[in-house]
Amino acid sequence: QKEVEQNSGPLSVPEGAIASLNCTYSDRGSQSFFWYRQYSGKSPELIMFIYSNGDKEDGRFTAQLNKASQYVSLLIRDSQPSDSATYLCAVNVEEGYGGATNKLIFGTGTLLAVQP
Amino acid sequence: DAGITQSPRHKVTETGTPVTLRCHQTENHRYMYWYRQDPGHGLRLIHYSYGVKDTDKGEVSDGYSVSRSKTEDFLLTLESATSSQTSVYFCAITISGGAYHEQFFGPGTRLTVL
Repeated sequence: QKEVEQNSGPLSVPEGAIASLNCTYSDRGSQSFFWYRQYSGKSPELIMFIYSNGDKEDGRFTAQLNKASQYVSLLIRDSQPSDSATYLCAVNVEEGYGGATNKLIFGTGTLLAVQP
Repeated sequence: DAGITQSPRHKVTETGTPVTLRCHQTENHRYMYWYRQDPGHGLRLIHYSYGVKDTDKGEVSDGYSVSRSKTEDFLLTLESATSSQTSVYFCAITISGGAYHEQFFGPGTRLTVL
């Protein structure tokens, strides 16, 4: 059973601080990794994706990937109250023959609360 | 919402009744998905489609069927709704030609089965 694990939180950080969200995955063959933000009562919104080891930065967001450790993280710098949401980690499913599928497995999400 | 609409947006029904949810997209994307989202379980794939009349099961397909007779529409049917199917249902698409299989979601349908 392929799995994606996240701490459910809530993760509480003060406004202006760095929020660090973490995710581990079980399928060593996975190649693409995604972070979605979901506000309460809304649909998930894609904010970052990464496929190479290392860091990928987009504005205040940085995704970090370590395939050897099967670990992906999302850093949010200068956190704002508007960043308060649930953050979902998703991982692409690879088939046994090594081909990528168009299926994703999602973690259960981490609730982030940014305190003004 | 990447040109995706879902209908209805809210529905209350009774146990044993059939229910059909519709996902409509306007941009001819090949891949479409149905997920359900429940507290403590996250998003779980019910069924997906990789083209007209081409569908396959996801991890929680029991009690659900799908149909895709046109590229733009993907229908999810609960043949006989049960209380355990109370959930929020999301449709998603993969942008055709995208290299990394990123998915984009519709606004969701909240279904309550009494």
